[in-house]
Amino acid sequence: QQQVKQSPQSLIVQKGGISIINCAYENTAFDYFPWYQQFPGKGPALLIAIRPDVSEKKEGRFTISFNKSAKQFSLHIMDSQPGDSATYFCAASGYGGATNKLIFGTGTLLAVQP
Amino acid sequence: NAGVMQNPRHLVRRRGQEARLRCSPVKGHSHVYWYRQLPEEGLKFMVYLQKENIIDESGMPKERFSAEFPKEGPSILRIQQVVRGDSAAYFCASSPPSGLTDTQYFGPGTRLTVL
Repeated sequence: QQQVKQSPQSLIVQKGGISIINCAYENTAFDYFPWYQQFPGKGPALLIAIRPDVSEKKEGRFTISFNKSAKQFSLHIMDSQPGDSATYFCAASGYGGATNKLIFGTGTLLAVQP
Repeated sequence: NAGVMQNPRHLVRRRGQEARLRCSPVKGHSHVYWYRQLPEEGLKFMVYLQKENIIDESGMPKERFSAEFPKEGPSILRIQQVVRGDSAAYFCASSPPSGLTDTQYFGPGTRLTVL
């Protein structure tokens, strides 16, 4: 119930294309869904996050789509660039209680080809 | 504005030695989280601390691992009698006091190698 399933494991996209990464969760107590970007040898950096009260959030080229009934959310990277090549992690948190620990997906390695 | 700082960035230990990993949160942040990332895997929650208190240690191995966040100074993750399976990247994250935001800001990590 505390898992977050992420797919695909890896993704190759041409420059200018759209990258789409999907995540699914089971725990309906989750109420915060961030996406993190990680470059090799670095720590994860928050990219964009969403709460269940909205179905979509856009920041620049990055958009989160959220489907509460299906318990799924996805990251869309528009006009993908070689500099976007990194590992992307979805996560979820929120137990309405004492902890805000993040439950991470297994990651998607994105390669944007020039 | 300094972000989350972790040191050392790389740590090599032999089996049976102790490893001490330090984390200085963002100034003004009172919540610290530790996560472990094994090679080719996602991050796994270990422990959540507030100043002088362990709030949630449900992800900590029952033996050899301990964590603290004293009133003064950095948070420390301590691994006693390290084994090869402890080799991983250990990340610290911090967040502001409760109610302000859920955002966790991550440090650059400490990469532990056990020989």
